[in-house]
Amino acid sequence: GAVVSQHPSRVICKSGTSVKIECRSLDFQATTMFWYRQFPKQSLMLMATSNEGSKATYEQGVEKDKFLINHASLTLSTLTVTSAHPEDSSFYICSARVWVGYGYTFGSGTRLTVV
Amino acid sequence: ELKVEQNPLFLSMQEEKNYTIYCNYSTTSDRLYWYRQDPGKSLESLFVLLSNGAVKQEGRLMASLDTKARLSTLHITAAVHDLSATYFCAVDPMNRDDKIIFGKGTRLHILP
Repeated sequence: GAVVSQHPSRVICKSGTSVKIECRSLDFQATTMFWYRQFPKQSLMLMATSNEGSKATYEQGVEKDKFLINHASLTLSTLTVTSAHPEDSSFYICSARVWVGYGYTFGSGTRLTVV
Repeated sequence: ELKVEQNPLFLSMQEEKNYTIYCNYSTTSDRLYWYRQDPGKSLESLFVLLSNGAVKQEGRLMASLDTKARLSTLHITAAVHDLSATYFCAVDPMNRDDKIIFGKGTRLHILP
């Protein structure tokens, strides 16, 4: 089946540093990827939609300069959390739609802890 | 704006019992997805429902879609402890941006 590989699975960083999260579609081309954030015991919150070769579209209330998204190829999208603060600690998940009949596939998630 | 409501949000049930999780949505769509999430893990796709009347079954789980009622159900038959997880439905409003809208999730706890 279609797989999205997400790395790292877990990262601890110091306040003020930046962290990059990568999502790769392994056996299909993902022209669009979605980045979500999830707090404990809550649903997924869409942060942004990344499109290959163009600027990402951010949801209302999401800081573009803090959460930098790059979708440089049809198989790779990255999310960089810049100048991280403890409140950025969360579970980040990427997703891509494979095709209508298959639906959406999700990366394995990245647990970010900012200390 | 499309709204997706799941109920119940929390369900504690005994093994071997049957139960149903409901997913209501507010605008027209005939694409709906069910996912399972285990603690600390990402989402695992369970069912893709793409038409009115669609019914799919996998083991003790069965999902259906009624687009006229804007309702999907996830039915659990003879629950077992391994089915304890959070279940999300997500609806595709079929806009050009391909975004899907998630329900709040149903935390299912099956007591041995």
